[in-house]
Amino acid sequence: DADVTQTPRNRITKTGKRIMLECSQTKGHDRMYWYRQDPGLGLRLIYYSFDVKDINKGEISDGYSVSRQAQAKFSLSLESAIPNQTALYFCATSEAPGTVNTGELFFGEGSRLTVL
Amino acid sequence: AQSVTQLGSHVSVSEGALVLLRCNYSSSVPPYLFWYVQYPNQGLQLLLKYTSAATLVKGINGFEAEFKKSETSFHLTKPSAHMSDAAEYFCAVNPNSGYSTLTFGKGTMLLVSP
Repeated sequence: DADVTQTPRNRITKTGKRIMLECSQTKGHDRMYWYRQDPGLGLRLIYYSFDVKDINKGEISDGYSVSRQAQAKFSLSLESAIPNQTALYFCATSEAPGTVNTGELFFGEGSRLTVL
Repeated sequence: AQSVTQLGSHVSVSEGALVLLRCNYSSSVPPYLFWYVQYPNQGLQLLLKYTSAATLVKGINGFEAEFKKSETSFHLTKPSAHMSDAAEYFCAVNPNSGYSTLTFGKGTMLLVSP
């Protein structure tokens, strides 16, 4: 089984619908992230959480919200989806960087969202 | 704030040729540096990482990268390209700071022709 699991893997929805992407991890990491990938733009950080009680906005948080239900679960919601939110979404986890850990990210397989 | 610049959104090589993917970074503190690879329809996996232990870092599948502080570069190389190396490659920087997050470059698509 994958260490970082995302559901659904693919989703097609319509403008205005509410969508939730879910992420769960078995790596025991405190830190979890949601990234969005668009062709030619690389990965951009939407939200991140350093522990269950800590939620932070990334560079492109508008139109998104998150919930950290437990150490192992981090969900991304689109309250009212719009076509320019069509993208590939990745969840990732990490440990805190320091003298031993580098803050390396471990990624899920991605959730492809299409908003019509 | 940190940033990453990958020169060339697409790089084409012939099978057996040298692969060179360029990455320059900016960071206010000594960083950790990473190269990730994304094969078609897959997630990202770590290729190699620089942690200040050695400036020349060896990764999986014959790739290596050299950290050059004076040039703020972390270029990725492989002596001989294989068809299976065709993928998108991302450079990323993480300042060695407890509250930092990774910043990614925009990616370089490596195309390998027979």
